[in-house]
Amino acid sequence: GAVVSQHPSWVICKSGTSVKIECRSLDFQATTMFWYRQFPKQSLMLMATSNEGSKATYEQGVEKDKFLINHASLTLSTLTVTSAHPEDSSFYICSANSVSSYNSPLHFGNGTRLTVT
Amino acid sequence: GEDVEQSLFLSVREGDSSVINCTYTDSSSTYLYWYKQEPGAGLQLLTYIFSNMDMKQDQRLTVLLNKKDKHLSLRIADTQTGDSAIYFCAESTTGGFKTIFGAGTRLFVKA
Repeated sequence: GAVVSQHPSWVICKSGTSVKIECRSLDFQATTMFWYRQFPKQSLMLMATSNEGSKATYEQGVEKDKFLINHASLTLSTLTVTSAHPEDSSFYICSANSVSSYNSPLHFGNGTRLTVT
Repeated sequence: GEDVEQSLFLSVREGDSSVINCTYTDSSSTYLYWYKQEPGAGLQLLTYIFSNMDMKQDQRLTVLLNKKDKHLSLRIADTQTGDSAIYFCAESTTGGFKTIFGAGTRLFVKA
């Protein structure tokens, strides 16, 4: 149980285009999902907390107009990197925990490697 | 603020035991986790322990918690080449919310 699916697993896009990354909880409902960014050989950096039916909460230094988050249902959150630039190239990971088990650990998607050329 | 620290590298021979150490600062931490990340993949929850426990064993994995010293360790018995990965220590006072991650320990297993 507690499977989180992230799609796509990798994407290459041209500078100036937008890219959408999906995060789905497959066998549980997630009121809250989290989006992280990971640079090579570094730990996870929390970007934002995505709440179902409301606006996301962004961490300090993360541009909300650059990284658009939508959490339209209890099983789907999307991260859109708008007008992507090479410096946005990174590994993006989402996570969630079950709404029915507030204290449960986070379960992670397999990540999306974004390369902006 | 809360902080989680762990050593960056560990190298062991196949068949030996690996011990990955972690320290944390938040004395109110309730949940302590170990995650594994293989190259190009997300994080896989290996095991977790509640702060009222001293030890938890799950097959080849043993977690030890010294709450007084705020020290957590993960022991992998009979380490295999497939155990080569980055291991993240993490803590939380409220389950999944506000989970604080360490920088990760890169485990190298030599055949």
